[in-house]
Amino acid sequence: QSALTQPASVSGSPGQSITISCTGTSSDVGGYNYVSWYQQHPGKAPKLMIYDVSSRPSGVSNRFSGSKSGNTASLTISGLQAEDEAEYHCSSYTSSSTHVVFGGGTKLTVL
Amino acid sequence: QVQLVESGGGLVKPGGSLRLSCAASGFTFSDYYMSWVRQAPGKGLEWVSYISTSGTTIYHADSVKGRFTISRDNAKNSLYLQMNSLRAEDTAVYYCARVRGSYAMGHWGQGTLVTVSS
Repeated sequence: QSALTQPASVSGSPGQSITISCTGTSSDVGGYNYVSWYQQHPGKAPKLMIYDVSSRPSGVSNRFSGSKSGNTASLTISGLQAEDEAEYHCSSYTSSSTHVVFGGGTKLTVL
Repeated sequence: QVQLVESGGGLVKPGGSLRLSCAASGFTFSDYYMSWVRQAPGKGLEWVSYISTSGTTIYHADSVKGRFTISRDNAKNSLYLQMNSLRAEDTAVYYCARVRGSYAMGHWGQGTLVTVSS
């Protein structure tokens, strides 16, 4: 069982917006602004999409945005495109001895 | 451009050992914290280990503490993961990742598969 909770799957049509949630506790998501989001296509390595809750690395489309409220972080993808279909993983720094915790991943299907 | 290339994976029996390597290029290796992250077949990501630029600060996940050791050789631009007393539940793709501060993994290698089975 993963430390952070994500929905197993979400779906949306091209052009629509979707949001993926990532729920933790005050020891991780709620306590620090160190939430990251990764995109992973089948058989490929993860790619960093969002760090520090809402910052985007250079080269990542501004269709991807992150936010946080209390113990829940969210990734929003606007203007869905076929190439956005992938697995999305959230992670957070944690004050526990684990240091970094991940969510179980969310499969995004573009209908 | 940033490149991270893992090697050393393979099939090993329970209780055995394996040493993973990660060759880094395209950036000043000694300037960055590095990490190992693994992914069991069909499962999510799991952080394994983390090492500071000089190697003086090291963290390991509880699931591997006492069995795995992360290290680095800045002169060789290389990261390592020594894995001892391997268990079936250690079976996973192991990724080497460059940390971009605040524990975000900014660049990843392609991964190397470790299979622990008799």
